[in-house]
Parts: sequence; C-alpha cells; structure tokens
Amino acid sequence: DAKTTQPNSMESNEEEPVHLPCNHSTISGTDYIHWYRQLPSQGPEYVIHGLTSNVNNRMASLAIAEDRKSSTLILHRATLRDAAVYYCILGGYQKVTFGTGTKLQVIP
Amino acid sequence: DAGITQSPRYKITETGRQVTLMCHQTWSHSYMFWYRQDLGHGLRLIYYSAAADITDKGEVPDGYVVSRSKTENFPLTLESATRSQTSVYFCASSDQGAATEAFFGQGTRLTVV
Repeated sequence: DAKTTQPNSMESNEEEPVHLPCNHSTISGTDYIHWYRQLPSQGPEYVIHGLTSNVNNRMASLAIAEDRKSSTLILHRATLRDAAVYYCILGGYQKVTFGTGTKLQVIP
Repeated sequence: DAGITQSPRYKITETGRQVTLMCHQTWSHSYMFWYRQDLGHGLRLIYYSAAADITDKGEVPDGYVVSRSKTENFPLTLESATRSQTSVYFCASSDQGAATEAFFGQGTRLTVV
C-alpha cells in the first residue's frame, strides 16, 4: 500500500495562510488523496479530497502536484479552531489508510 | 438522530474476556470501517466492510472479529481481550468508500486490565 509522509508538527500565526505538505511518491493511479483533521478527544473530521485536479471547499483548498506524488492542504486564514492533527490519507477503492499526521499549532 | 454512533464510549474489561464494541450509522452508507488509535501510531485500520455480509481485513486484524448482518451496524468483537488491545477505537462510514468522505464516530476508549 502507498504511504504518506508529513511533517510531525507545524506552527502558524492566526489569520495567516497555512500550507500543510504531504508526500506520497508511491501513490497509485486510483488512489484518492484525502485530508482529515482531529481535535483532541474527538474522531477525525473530513476536510477535503481529490484525485487529480485541485479542489476547493468552504474549509480549505487542496493543491495536487501534476505527477500526484505530493499534495498541499491550504487553510486560507488559520484560526485557533484550526489547531488540530491533520492527516493526509491515500484511499484506493475499498479502503482508506491513515498516515502519521501533522500537529498544527496556531499562535494568537 | 442522524449520524454515526459508537457504544459504549468507555469500557474497562479484564484480560481474556470477550468484549463487543458497537457501531451504528443512519445514512445507509455502504462502507464501514474500524480503526484503532494508539499514541505514536496514528489510526490503523482493523477491518472494513463494503456492504452487508462483506468484510475484509485491514492492517491490524489479529484478535478481532467483525460481522455485518445489517447495513447500519458493524460490531467489533475482541474474542479474548489482551492488554495490547487497550486503545481508542473509531468507527467510520462512507457512501462510496475512498471516493467520498468518511464520517467518524466519537470513539470508544477501551482499557484492558
């Protein structure tokens, strides 16, 4: 199964954009790229997902490299509520397997 | 209420006992998943199900049994609990597997003593 690599932690100032990177050099052609986040003592929460094209939703943007070997989650204006562990995940048709995650700290 | 619910939220059991964790979703999603989360390991997939009566192993299935007789329920059973199964367990469901978002329950914190 393809694996993902993320930095263990990142910091951002409040109200500034945040770019969270993810490397997935062994991704297969059918793997979707998903991002979830997890607040303390809660289950993971869906953020965004895509296959080949960049994607935008009300929470974030997902930029996918042309060769699909890396992607970046973009939070346009970080708030204190965005402080969480962010997981970059690759999913084939049948299942989604989690990586290690990036702990995002937002500084007021 | 619509959503995905896990029960119990907290459970303490003794080594060797059988324990079942329940998961119920109200959307009629085809796919359901069980994960465990331990410090330093992120979330690891235990079992998943693509539809009623169809289940398959994930990354760490040993010591666990699942069934899916109804679309909305996906119980996870530890046949003979061990201390290494002390963890937080999350259930999730999705409509089309990896092509759509998954919804997670609040988790069950299981302690095996």
